[in-house]
Amino acid sequence: GAGVSQSPSNKVTEKGKDVELRCDPISGHTALYWYRQSLGQGLEFLIYFQGNSAPDKSGLPSDRFSAERTGGSVSTLTIQRTQQEDSAVYLCASSYSGGYSYNEQFFGPGTRLTVL
Amino acid sequence: DAKTTQPNSMESNEEEPVHLPCNHSTISGTDYIHWYRQLPSQGPEYVIHGLTSNVNNRMASLAIAEDRKSSTLILHRATLRDAAVYYCILRDGDMRFGAGTRLTVKP
Repeated sequence: GAGVSQSPSNKVTEKGKDVELRCDPISGHTALYWYRQSLGQGLEFLIYFQGNSAPDKSGLPSDRFSAERTGGSVSTLTIQRTQQEDSAVYLCASSYSGGYSYNEQFFGPGTRLTVL
Repeated sequence: DAKTTQPNSMESNEEEPVHLPCNHSTISGTDYIHWYRQLPSQGPEYVIHGLTSNVNNRMASLAIAEDRKSSTLILHRATLRDAAVYYCILRDGDMRFGAGTRLTVKP
């Protein structure tokens, strides 16, 4: 079966432009997570969606970052007025249910964002 | 805030066992202990998880202390392909990764 997919795989943009990153979770997975990973660093939690509940946005680094999840499936992470420090790999993961702590996460391949 | 503490790096020789420690002294009764690893230039992948009892799967074994305040991921025979960053995470809804342990495997 299909795993988590992300698009685009690579994105190069100019400082100040807006970007949208897409995540298609595994079908039937109710929990969806966004992380980012700067070069040589660990994963930084950004946001977490669980079913129809209000998302946990506590990891978003600034109000330039936002995310939506439409219909409980596809998610889009939007970064407005991009800055060079936003350059990183953005990873999406999904799990069958975030509410049950035994469920493993499945990660997508990531989107490498480069802000010039 | 990270809920787990791991050494920054460890080294192992190929075909020898590796014991990767993790401290989680603030673990709650419902937290599962998860381990993931991230190979170079890839996203993280699930390795193993457990609650109270030791667990084995085809990739590794997980030994959990009786008080659950620490655990150890055991790779029985390290290979060069096991070189990765290993993350120990307490799973309680969201999942926040710490810095992990960078494992180097020497031939």
